[in-house]
Amino acid sequence: QKEVEQDPGPLSVPEGAIVSLNCTYSNSAFQYFMWYRQYSRKGPELLMYTYSSGNKEDGRFTAQVDKSSKYISLFIRDSQPSDSATYLCAMMDSSYKLIFGSGTRLLVRP
Amino acid sequence: DTEVTQTPKHLVMGMTNKKSLKCEQHMGHRAMYWYKQKAKKPPELMFVYSYEKLSINESVPSRFSPECPNSSLLNLHLHALQPEDSALYLCASSQGEGVSTDTQYFGPGTRLTVL
Repeated sequence: QKEVEQDPGPLSVPEGAIVSLNCTYSNSAFQYFMWYRQYSRKGPELLMYTYSSGNKEDGRFTAQVDKSSKYISLFIRDSQPSDSATYLCAMMDSSYKLIFGSGTRLLVRP
Repeated sequence: DTEVTQTPKHLVMGMTNKKSLKCEQHMGHRAMYWYKQKAKKPPELMFVYSYEKLSINESVPSRFSPECPNSSLLNLHLHALQPEDSALYLCASSQGEGVSTDTQYFGPGTRLTVL
């Protein structure tokens, strides 16, 4: 079993839809949770960073962490074609190494 | 400024060549990382430098040789690579290991093709 599970997609939604991206994890030692966005042939861009259970909002993006269920989510409101990218969840363990999910490809149709 | 720069953007090399990838950051970060990313896969950690010292080597073959000349620069020296080493090589930096808010910022990557 992988430490971090993420549905690879692709996930196709119409413009303006609310997008929900999710990851589950098995290691209860994970303390910090991140979401990166990666456009094709580019480096990952940090979107959100959380370290506790609950919600964190930044513009159209909301990151949610449920440590009791070992489940994290990223919500994108009013999705735009420019949001089309691969979204990687990442988690940091006690060694401060980043453990990535496999990434979800998102396509927002105009 | 959260910029990490990498050069070159693209590199094509033969299996007998020697080349180097370069990474630079001016955020005052004390930890720097090399990752390898194959198509449609997440980044895989290769090396970590903390305060200019190699702290993690993820059992990377010796044909990859990292170097950290100073706290702002990170190099990856390549020699006798194989075609399967073709990938996007990403550099990242963070404030430093042991910092509780230690988020990693990635550069744009170098796309390497080994012929």
